[in-house]
Amino acid sequence: QKEVEQDPGPLSVPEGAIVSLNCTYSNSAFQYFMWYRQYSRKGPELLMYTYSSGNKEDGRFTAQVDKSSKYISLFIRDSQPSDSATYLCAMRATSGTYKYIFGTGTRLKVLA
Amino acid sequence: DSGVTQTPKHLITATGQRVTLRCSPRSGDLSVYWYQQSLDQGLQFLIQYYNGEERAKGNILERFSAQQFPDLHSELNLSSLELGDSALYFCASSEGLTPYEQYFGPGTRLTVT
Repeated sequence: QKEVEQDPGPLSVPEGAIVSLNCTYSNSAFQYFMWYRQYSRKGPELLMYTYSSGNKEDGRFTAQVDKSSKYISLFIRDSQPSDSATYLCAMRATSGTYKYIFGTGTRLKVLA
Repeated sequence: DSGVTQTPKHLITATGQRVTLRCSPRSGDLSVYWYQQSLDQGLQFLIQYYNGEERAKGNILERFSAQQFPDLHSELNLSSLELGDSALYFCASSEGLTPYEQYFGPGTRLTVT
């Protein structure tokens, strides 16, 4: 079993839809949770990060962490064609390692 | 543009060969990370250097090695290449040792034939 599981998609939604992207994980030591966006043929760029549990909002993006369920989510409101990309979750434990574990990514396509 | 540069952009080589990938971090960043991205495995952390010292190791094969030089640029050396080593190799950098944010370069696409 992989430490981080992410549905690869592809996920196709109409413009303006609310998108929900999710990851599950097995390592209860993970404390830092991040979401990256990767456009085709580009390097990943950080969208949001959260520490431990809770929600964080930034514009159209909301990140949620549920540590009891070992489940994290990224919501995109009012999705735009420019949001079409692969979204990668990433996580790391607090101490003992600086190793980042990434999900395999979910491909999102927002249709105009 | 993240400020991280990687060369070359593309590399095509034969099995058994050795290649060197180069990364220049953002100005002021002391940490450099190397990742391998393939279709089936996703983004795999290979190794991290901080100010010239190795700080974390991931799923890096023994045929692969890396170093960070005094000017903070880093090189990833891949030897005895196999078909399965074909992938995108990303370098990322960050200011500190254990940050949230890593800035990724554009990647080097390696094709082993």
